[in-house]
Amino acid sequence: AQSVTQPDIHITVSEGASLELRCNYSYGATPYLFWYVQSPGQGLQLLLKYFSGDTLVQGIKGFEAEFKRSQSSFNLRKPSVHWSDAAEYFCAVDRSGGGADGLTFGKGTHLIIQP
Amino acid sequence: DAGVIQSPRHEVTEMGQEVTLRCKPISGHDYLFWYRQTMMRGLELLIYFNNNVPIDDSGMPEDRFSAKMPNASFSTLKIQPSEPRDSAVYFCASRTGGETQYFGPGTRLLVL
Repeated sequence: AQSVTQPDIHITVSEGASLELRCNYSYGATPYLFWYVQSPGQGLQLLLKYFSGDTLVQGIKGFEAEFKRSQSSFNLRKPSVHWSDAAEYFCAVDRSGGGADGLTFGKGTHLIIQP
Repeated sequence: DAGVIQSPRHEVTEMGQEVTLRCKPISGHDYLFWYRQTMMRGLELLIYFNNNVPIDDSGMPEDRFSAKMPNASFSTLKIQPSEPRDSAVYFCASRTGGETQYFGPGTRLLVL
């Protein structure tokens, strides 16, 4: 079965510093990968997705992620964080790999921004 | 578009009562998903529909949970009887084809 691992439960970053959130997946075929963000008391908003093609994908709010098949990773990055980026971040993989199934989520990384 | 609509946003009930959560997917989307979010288990898929037909309900925790989609614009998730361990945030999501899932704001359920 597919699985997603986000090894960091909490990350604290100073405002203006760079950010990298880690995500590793376990899946036999080419995965469909996603990063979602959840602000307190809110639903999930899609930041970016990877289906195929260029392994570096750009998303909203200045985020990007790089798919590395050899490392089974899909890490999320941002060059300079803002206080409004404080939230919970979830990496997810489509269970079927073909976009026709539900998502398997990681446990999430809670991002704290220090002033 | 208004996005995925869920109601109620908050529900407090007593153990043993029936709870019904409602979802209106984005118009034109032919897939609908129900997820549950808890601190212990994170986000987990409960069931999903394609063209109003349940495709995979293997994530439904037990027979107390049931879901229906009587038409393309409405789905319900029912818990009967409810138990304190059902307390969670329940999300509905929809999409079309192989595209992105769009999530609703969630229903925060507390069973006392």
